[in-house]
Amino acid sequence: DSGVTQTPKHLITATGQRVTLRCSPRSGDLSVYWYQQSLDQGLQFLIQYYNGEERAKGNILERFSAQQFPDLHSELNLSSLELGDSALYFCASSPGTGVQPQHFGDGTRLSIL
Amino acid sequence: AQTVTQSQPEMSVQEAETVTLSCTYDTSESDYYLFWYKQPPSRQMILVIRQEAYKQQNATENRFSVNFQKAAKSFSLKISDSQLGDAAMYFCAYRTKKSSGDKLTFGTGTRLAVRP
Repeated sequence: DSGVTQTPKHLITATGQRVTLRCSPRSGDLSVYWYQQSLDQGLQFLIQYYNGEERAKGNILERFSAQQFPDLHSELNLSSLELGDSALYFCASSPGTGVQPQHFGDGTRLSIL
Repeated sequence: AQTVTQSQPEMSVQEAETVTLSCTYDTSESDYYLFWYKQPPSRQMILVIRQEAYKQQNATENRFSVNFQKAAKSFSLKISDSQLGDAAMYFCAYRTKKSSGDKLTFGTGTRLAVRP
């Protein structure tokens, strides 16, 4: 158990819809990262938050947004969903500084029908 | 931008034997971190081993060890005494030390099969 909790584990929805993925980081970790794993794009970094503030942005679509709340949990919002958004979405957390690695949650599998 | 290359899409090893997975990377930075993550069929991402670039000594974690060649920008993973539970997808990853964002940049992965 990595200590990172992601909900839901599976999500099935239709094109054009909006979904919210939730992540609770490990106790004490201030940084939260979101990654997308798809067959054609591999594992790609989407966005990072550190202590409530956006720290880095990767290949995140404008239809996607995220935030980190005062209790440090994070949500990734995906809107106007397309078939190509079907993927495994991982959340990871770390203390945010130093050598400590990122620990990953079990992921949310999103299927767009 | 940093890139990570895993040139072996698939590898196979006999149980109890040793296998080496290759990884090369490109960066202009002098200090950084490198990681190997394992993704079994359950799809979890499990940290296997990590290496700090300024440390010349190769990291070791039980049956897992790395061969870190900084000048060649190579970071291979050696698995000794392979076990059936080692069958998984293995990802090599790079992480900067900059405070402006320490995302992981992943390679495309190597799928390891273990033959009984």
